[in-house]
Amino acid sequence: GDSVTQMEGPVTLSEEAFLTINCTYTATGYPSLFWYVQYPGEGLQLLLKATKADDKGSNKGFEATYRKETTSFHLEKGSVQVSDSAVYFCALTPIPLNDYKLSFGAGTTVTVRA
Amino acid sequence: DADVTQTPRNRITKTGKRIMLECSQTKGHDRMYWYRQDPGLGLRLIYYSFDVKDINKGEISDGYSVSRQAQAKFSLSLESAIPNQTALYFCATSPGQGAYEQYFGPGTRLTVT
Repeated sequence: GDSVTQMEGPVTLSEEAFLTINCTYTATGYPSLFWYVQYPGEGLQLLLKATKADDKGSNKGFEATYRKETTSFHLEKGSVQVSDSAVYFCALTPIPLNDYKLSFGAGTTVTVRA
Repeated sequence: DADVTQTPRNRITKTGKRIMLECSQTKGHDRMYWYRQDPGLGLRLIYYSFDVKDINKGEISDGYSVSRQAQAKFSLSLESAIPNQTALYFCATSPGQGAYEQYFGPGTRLTVT
């Protein structure tokens, strides 16, 4: 079935460090891929998305590229801030069948220290 | 104002009580969802609705029921709450029709004692 595997945390970084969170997926068809972020005490927010191979999603300094050949969608940010401390979830929606489903990875907790 | 709102934000209830969680959205989306989040288990889909007349069970619907009162409103009920229903509950919406990203509400923290 469709699934997402992301690197386990927790990840602790210093401010201005480079962040990478690995995400790989298994899916039939051509899934849409997403990164969501959950700040402490809040709901999930859509961070970025990509809907086809080689698409690059970007938002708030974060980027991820849809790599079909490696079935990956790694999240990167060049210089993190304390405010980026959160739990990050990689997710996919299978297309075209079951396009209501959103399969999440387990989440990666990121802590950025000043 | 938030596009997806949930009430209440926090609720403590006793075993056997009936409880309703409400969700409203101003995004104009047809599709709405209810999830629960548990530590170590991630988010799991309880129910989903494609429109007012189309409601479907998700992967963990036992012990829950839903009502889609209007395009903008989707309620989740626990008919007889039990302690293992203690969790964080999220409502979400999505446009459908070629756009599949889901937008989440702030969540309801439910504790069943």
